[in-house]
Amino acid sequence: DTAVSQTPKYLVTQMGNDKSIKCEQNLGHDTMYWYKQDSKKFLKIMFSYNNKELIINETVPNRFSPKSPDKAHLNLHINSLELGDSAVYFCASSQAGRLKQFFGPGTRLTVL
Amino acid sequence: GNSVTQMEGPVTLSEEAFLTINCTYTATGYPSLFWYVQYPGEGLQLLLKATKADDKGSNKGFEATYRKETTSFHLEKGSVQVSDSAVYFCALSDQSNFGNEKLTFGTGTRLTIIP
Repeated sequence: DTAVSQTPKYLVTQMGNDKSIKCEQNLGHDTMYWYKQDSKKFLKIMFSYNNKELIINETVPNRFSPKSPDKAHLNLHINSLELGDSAVYFCASSQAGRLKQFFGPGTRLTVL
Repeated sequence: GNSVTQMEGPVTLSEEAFLTINCTYTATGYPSLFWYVQYPGEGLQLLLKATKADDKGSNKGFEATYRKETTSFHLEKGSVQVSDSAVYFCALSDQSNFGNEKLTFGTGTRLTIIP
């Protein structure tokens, strides 16, 4: 009965590869987010989608491409992975106008 | 733009000690303020929130009061437990953009409670 789930939990890959992280929420929310947490635990918004429409894109390199096939899913595809992409990526969801965001367990990406 | 500044960690306390983690903010609108907690190996969970000046958020013995005059939202707990060991994030959300309620986080404060 996980509210916000992400797969995979861990992802280890070589520089230059392309990888995807999936996120699903079963809360009926209409807004979903991707956050990046670096090695110093600093959390920063990357994207948000409201009803499958991109709302926020915080100067993220265009190697990162979010895709929202429906309101319950927001996937993150990363092309040509770089060492600096190593981080924990958190998905979150909320209902627009409601303040509480629900976070997934995170995906730890390690680029070698 | 919006920003959140919180106390640098790590913070180490003995069980039953009093806890304060300072948080101040800068915002252009009328933000809502939050404390999120991240337990080891887990995602973030909302701990408490306050939506307007002088509101007090509280949960699990933690409290924080929205102080507009000092632009602060300090987290306090009277008697901490080992189970409170986690990373605590102060955050704000600008309510002026419906459907665009992104959270701006502080850098996080790692709290360790020793028995």
